[in-house]
Formats: sequence, structure tokens, C-alpha cells
Amino acid sequence: DQQVKQNSPSLSVQEGRISILNCDYTNSMFDYFLWYKKYPAEGPTFLISISSIKDKNEDGRFTVFLNKSAKHLSLHIVPSQPGDSAVYFCAATAGFGNEKLTFGTGTRLTIIP
Amino acid sequence: DADVTQTPRNRITKTGKRIMLECSQTKGHDRMYWYRQDPGLGLRLIYYSFDVKDINKGEISDGYSVSRQAQAKFSLSLESAIPNQTALYFCATSKPGSSSNTGELFFGEGSRLTVL
Repeated sequence: DQQVKQNSPSLSVQEGRISILNCDYTNSMFDYFLWYKKYPAEGPTFLISISSIKDKNEDGRFTVFLNKSAKHLSLHIVPSQPGDSAVYFCAATAGFGNEKLTFGTGTRLTIIP
Repeated sequence: DADVTQTPRNRITKTGKRIMLECSQTKGHDRMYWYRQDPGLGLRLIYYSFDVKDINKGEISDGYSVSRQAQAKFSLSLESAIPNQTALYFCATSKPGSSSNTGELFFGEGSRLTVL
């Protein structure tokens, strides 16, 4: 039972345009969400997070939106750059401080120069 | 130098062999984790430890065991490897989550294991 779903295995976006990566979850106990980025031959690295008390969090070119009623979150990258080409994982946990994350299956983002 | 170091980075072994993956960290974190990544399945938690005397099973612990030798060291063992344990394994560390930090995980570079 996949509690965190990323339904798009891959996404290609033109450089300079907006990249939107989507994530859905089924467990209503999840209240803290994170995005990780992974380059080949490297471990995932933390990108941005959001608590369920918010519906938006920004960090530079990266913005995460949370729609609790729809159990949906999205990561927006604008403008997209070639260095953003990577696999992006959405993750969720129940209770801030509980780091036993449940990960999605990942979306491979390719930025086209 | 990496803050979270995994050895070996690549290993090919045969069915039935015992194998150990090692993880050491210089971040000073109490919490350590082992995850495996499979194509189409994302990362799944195998075991985690919140301090030296604490070991907990994760989502997919069957066929694995762990040892927390010190705050900085957390090893994963496959007592009798089987082909469906072929995967990319990641060690990770974290501080306890709080209002002053995100509770994020810090991952090693991964250990690719192939069981023939």
C-alpha cells in the first residue's frame, strides 16, 4: 500500500520555465512533508519542507504548496535550470520530530537547455 | 569528506552469503537509519536507531539485522543474501526534529548490492 504517491515517473521542462512536481498521500496522520533531490551516484539531499499548519513554503526558486483537503502537495521550481535535473522524492511523516519518513517513488526531472 | 560514509560502495555477492554494509557518521547525530531503494518503489525503511541502545524495525526488516556499535556507527547485515535483496542501500542520520530544525535526514552516498 503506497501511502505517498508520485504518479509521474518523469517530467521534461524547458530551461527557464516552471517545473511542477506533484505528490499525493493517503494517510491522514501525515502532518509534515519534505522534498528530497537525488543526483546519480549520490544520496538524496533535503530540499524543502512544509508543516500541515501552512499551505505554502518558499525557499528561493523552490516553493512547496500543501492542499490538506485534497491530500496533495506540489513542488514548484521557477525558473528551472539545467542543474535541477535530478530525481525528486516526496516524503511524509506523522508528528513533527518523527523522522521515520515514508517516501514516494520519485519523479525524474529533466531540464532541456 | 562525506559526513555520512558507507562501505562498500558496490558489492556483488552470491545467494546464501553473509554480507555487511557499514555506515559511519561525523555529524554527531544520535539517530541513524537504513533505507533501500528499488526502481518504482522509492526508498523504504529497513531499520532505525535513535541512540546506541535503541534498535527498531522499519517497514521491511525481514532478512536483515543491524548493529549500533557506537553513536557514529550503524551496520546492516544480510545473514543469507537472496537475489531480491539486490538494491541500492542508503544510510542516513538525523537530529530529533524541533522548531529549530527541520528534522531532515542526511544520507550517505549509497551502497549498491547485487546478489546473484
